[in-house]
Amino acid sequence: KAGVTQTPRYLIKTRGQQVTLSCSPISGHRSVSWYQQTPGQGLQFLFEYFSETQRNKGNFPGRFSGRQFSNSRSEMNVSTLELGDSALYLCASAILAGGPRGTQYFGPGTRLTVL
Amino acid sequence: AQKITQTQPGMFVQEKEAVTLDCTYDTSDQSYGLFWYKQPSSGEMIFLIYQGSYDEQNATEGRYSLNFQKARKSANLVISASQLGDSAMYFCAMQIIKAAGNKLTFGGGTRVLVKP
Repeated sequence: KAGVTQTPRYLIKTRGQQVTLSCSPISGHRSVSWYQQTPGQGLQFLFEYFSETQRNKGNFPGRFSGRQFSNSRSEMNVSTLELGDSALYLCASAILAGGPRGTQYFGPGTRLTVL
Repeated sequence: AQKITQTQPGMFVQEKEAVTLDCTYDTSDQSYGLFWYKQPSSGEMIFLIYQGSYDEQNATEGRYSLNFQKARKSANLVISASQLGDSAMYFCAMQIIKAAGNKLTFGGGTRVLVKP
């Protein structure tokens, strides 16, 4: 079974631009979560989608948004990019919620650099 | 709020030896899951092992075992017979098992370098 895929793998943008990242979960997984990883803040939860509905949201500004499609694929959008948005963005999918079936499997990440 | 603490920022281990990575957690919830992930330099997070708060047995997965001490709120990862490929960052994470949500709270990580 194919793992979680994320596109693009690398992205360079300038301040003020917007960016859209894509994530395709493992087949049969309905939960998709997004995380931001930076050297200073570590791994931080952005949001989670389940059956096209945002189920959880982390403590990030409204510039960070996401959505999930009927095939469980998810996109994350960051508008008005700031230098501090430079990070590795990780997507993870899970079958359901909680317990072993809530185990999240991660994709390879998208490394975003904001100049 | 939940908190995960990994007190070892980095450690060396000799190939073929065992290594223990420390993880303590803080939560007032009774139902939770504890996870360990490995992150090689490539960046991808690899799931290693899971322990549920109500599991009475310590979890094991091949060379990985989780030393779960609920009263002490610790969930240490033991890697037996270390291999060069085990060199990576290791993250402990917790998930509160509620009606909704798969949010993971991560610790700061421990960098492991296996020496030949």
